[in-house]
Amino acid sequence: EPEVTQTPSHQVTQMGQEVILRCVPISNHLYFYWYRQILGQKVEFLVSFYNNEISEKSEIFDDQFSVERPDGSNFTLKIRSTKLEDSAMYFCASMGSQGYNEQFFGPGTRLTVL
Amino acid sequence: AQTVTQSQPEMSVQEAETVTLSCTYDTSESDYYLFWYKQPPSRQMILVIRQEAYKQQNATENRFSVNFQKAAKSFSLKISDSQLGDAAMYFCAYRTGSGNTGKLIFGQGTTLQVKP
Repeated sequence: EPEVTQTPSHQVTQMGQEVILRCVPISNHLYFYWYRQILGQKVEFLVSFYNNEISEKSEIFDDQFSVERPDGSNFTLKIRSTKLEDSAMYFCASMGSQGYNEQFFGPGTRLTVL
Repeated sequence: AQTVTQSQPEMSVQEAETVTLSCTYDTSESDYYLFWYKQPPSRQMILVIRQEAYKQQNATENRFSVNFQKAAKSFSLKISDSQLGDAAMYFCAYRTGSGNTGKLIFGQGTTLQVKP
């Protein structure tokens, strides 16, 4: 069964450093997402990506964040200068088309900012 | 803006018994989709069940069923014959039926404990 994969599973970084979280969505999917979940809290939408551009972003997704689909298979989330409050689980998800369809989630990347 | 509320931070159920998790939402849209996701300790998000707003019939997936009350904006999840493997955090989620983002809006989650 096709699945969304994410690397790394755990990333530890120093405050102020740049991190890139990587995702490989399901190959024929068209819609891509990043969500984050601070420990013990709800899952929050960060950004959606469709047709090679951002289709929507949340208030959390400020200038420190960027997304890219560099080669048609990977989908990356970059945090330019990490803050302590960026520590969270980051989930990538993909979806084939709109409507009734399911978003498939990756296993997540745990980001720890020290 | 749409919101999703899960008012039960924790629930517990005896193995083999039935439990119902509550979810309410607020929206002015008529076309939308509702989902229940399960998050076990591994933190992987797993789809449990989904419901289209225009369908009056409640969705069912094996031991999982929903009670969708559109006028009341309520979407509860019933788990029958609870099993130890059902222990997890459960999230209710909303997705608009319009536009091209498809983002999910999640509730705060309910932690379900299953007692042997």
